[in-house]
Amino acid sequence: QQQVKQSPQSLIVQKGGISIINCAYENTAFDYFPWYQQFPGKGPALLIAIRPDVSEKKEGRFTISFNKSAKQFSLHIMDSQPGDSATYFCAAAERDQFYFGTGTSLTVIP
Amino acid sequence: KAGVTQTPRYLIKTRGQQVTLSCSPISGHRSVSWYQQTPGQGLQFLFEYFSETQRNKGNFPGRFSGRQFSNSRSEMNVSTLELGDSALYLCASSFVGMNTEAFFGQGTRLTVV
Repeated sequence: QQQVKQSPQSLIVQKGGISIINCAYENTAFDYFPWYQQFPGKGPALLIAIRPDVSEKKEGRFTISFNKSAKQFSLHIMDSQPGDSATYFCAAAERDQFYFGTGTSLTVIP
Repeated sequence: KAGVTQTPRYLIKTRGQQVTLSCSPISGHRSVSWYQQTPGQGLQFLFEYFSETQRNKGNFPGRFSGRQFSNSRSEMNVSTLELGDSALYLCASSFVGMNTEAFFGQGTRLTVV
């Protein structure tokens, strides 16, 4: 059973556009929600993270929106660049155990 | 500061064999977690070690085991390999527990033939 559901599976965006990736969870005990970025041949790298007491967090072009009542959170990449082309994973953590989404392959077209 | 180091990077094994993978965490990090990454399944949690003790365990068969040494280095062992064990195995280390920033290694690509 997938604890964190991620969509879409793949995404193609024009350069300069907004990329949006969504995740949903059921377990209300989750208390940490990070997003990871993975390039081919590399391990995932933490991009941005949020805790449930905050509804939004922004770091540069990357923003997490968090809706606690809907049990959903999303990653927005503003002004998407070809260098953002990668696989993105959302995750949720409870008592030091992480659950990852299945990943979204993002392609930004120049 | 050196990152998380996983060895070897690539492995080819035959069904029925066993394999041991190694992970050296970032200096000072005492928590090490292991994940299996396959296309379509994403990252599946295997187990987490902290101060040489397994604190959390995912839903994998007993053929998958691990341990952590006093220097925080960790090993993962898979016995009686199956074709379905072919995957990228990633380890991640963090300073305290996993509810803080976790740093991943580049992974070990295991192919079972």
